[in-house]
Amino acid sequence: AQSVAQPEDQVNVAEGNPLTVKCTYSVSGNPYLFWYVQYPNRGLQFLLKYITGDNLVKGSYGFEAEFNKSQTSFHLKKPSALVSDSALYFCAVRAYTGGFKTIFGAGTRLFVKA
Amino acid sequence: EADIYQTPRYLVIGTGKKITLECSQTMGHDKMYWYQQDPGMELHLIHYSYGVNSTEKGDLSSESTVSRIRTEHFPLTLESARPSHTSQYLCASSDGTSQIYEQYFGPGTRLTVT
Repeated sequence: AQSVAQPEDQVNVAEGNPLTVKCTYSVSGNPYLFWYVQYPNRGLQFLLKYITGDNLVKGSYGFEAEFNKSQTSFHLKKPSALVSDSALYFCAVRAYTGGFKTIFGAGTRLFVKA
Repeated sequence: EADIYQTPRYLVIGTGKKITLECSQTMGHDKMYWYQQDPGMELHLIHYSYGVNSTEKGDLSSESTVSRIRTEHFPLTLESARPSHTSQYLCASSDGTSQIYEQYFGPGTRLTVT
């Protein structure tokens, strides 16, 4: 079955420290992978995507993600967290399920403490 | 911010009322989506459209209906609102022709049925 998993409901990190939000996927064929961020009372905003090419993808607000085919992972990273990064983060994969659809993970809440 | 709009942003309405949630986008995207999301929780796809006069039900069963008479407009209607419909509704669009794939989200409508 096509799926995406975010194993952590919540990630806590101190401001200035590096952060990682984990995502693993299970799809047949080549995966198209995405990260979105949701701030309170807002819709989701696209952060970055992996379609093909370099395994390290850079996106908005200093975020990056590394595609690892052997581990079927697409973890979101940032070298130095900001309090303003506190939000809900969704990983997503575009997969074929009787038609191409985007499957979203359950979300990971990131708390960055000052 | 993407050019996708939802109105109203907040709606409190009594049981049994008919409501229509509006969604419009000015990007010319052919694909549009409706998601239901309890605050801070995962997204559930309830409807999608791949173009004018095309509508499909999503993964989560919903009593709502949608229409797509114009490319830019994708309203969602509840004929008789119930407290179980209380949730946040997110509209999104994507450009299927350019193979960009990421979705652009509106700010959401938070619906409360009393």
